[in-house]
Amino acid sequence: GQQLNQSPQSMFIQEGEDVSMNCTSSSIFNTWLWYKQDPGEGPVLLIALYKAGELTSNGRLTAQFGITRKDSFLNISASIPSDVGIYFCAGQLSSGGGADGLTFGKGTHLIIQP
Amino acid sequence: GAVVSQHPSRVICKSGTSVKIECRSLDFQATTMFWYRQFPKQSLMLMATSNEGSKATYEQGVEKDKFLINHASLTLSTLTVTSAHPEDSSFYICSASLGNPQYFGPGTRLTVL
Repeated sequence: GQQLNQSPQSMFIQEGEDVSMNCTSSSIFNTWLWYKQDPGEGPVLLIALYKAGELTSNGRLTAQFGITRKDSFLNISASIPSDVGIYFCAGQLSSGGGADGLTFGKGTHLIIQP
Repeated sequence: GAVVSQHPSRVICKSGTSVKIECRSLDFQATTMFWYRQFPKQSLMLMATSNEGSKATYEQGVEKDKFLINHASLTLSTLTVTSAHPEDSSFYICSASLGNPQYFGPGTRLTVL
């Protein structure tokens, strides 16, 4: 199946640094979501974006839905040890109240060095 | 809110046997549930979409006779892996949705010997 292009694949950063990752697609999605997955667990929703151009924050996390509807980015400010994990972007064709499956990126593995 | 559970969390079975995995939405009624599969160090791939009271819709390449999905109520969907083989070993994760967004269960690690 289709996958989104997510980069970087991994990041090694110092605690306190800011993090930025992005996702691109060759086709349009009407909903973009960002999830975090810890080893052996299911993904946990971080931010959901429903409108092109939308910029949404959740604590130290900020995500934007690209104007072209073909990309999204996630920023994490002032990283802390518990931010370690794998971050996935996901696109969905439907918007608002739609219910179709998600297309995931390959993930960004965030590693924080104390 | 928006809690999704899965049972069992881990299962080991012999080749040729069938395994049933349950997915429940605990605090909301999910109009739609989804089943994903994740191989080691890879991303999640959608297997099928399940609506209560109707047949599941399978993604291309996913055998509907091998991966039986039953969505008997608005809070329960089951995935049965029939005649499991070692190549079916994977992390199976369900999600539930009442519109948007999707909330994921904790996953089920299936190991087929």
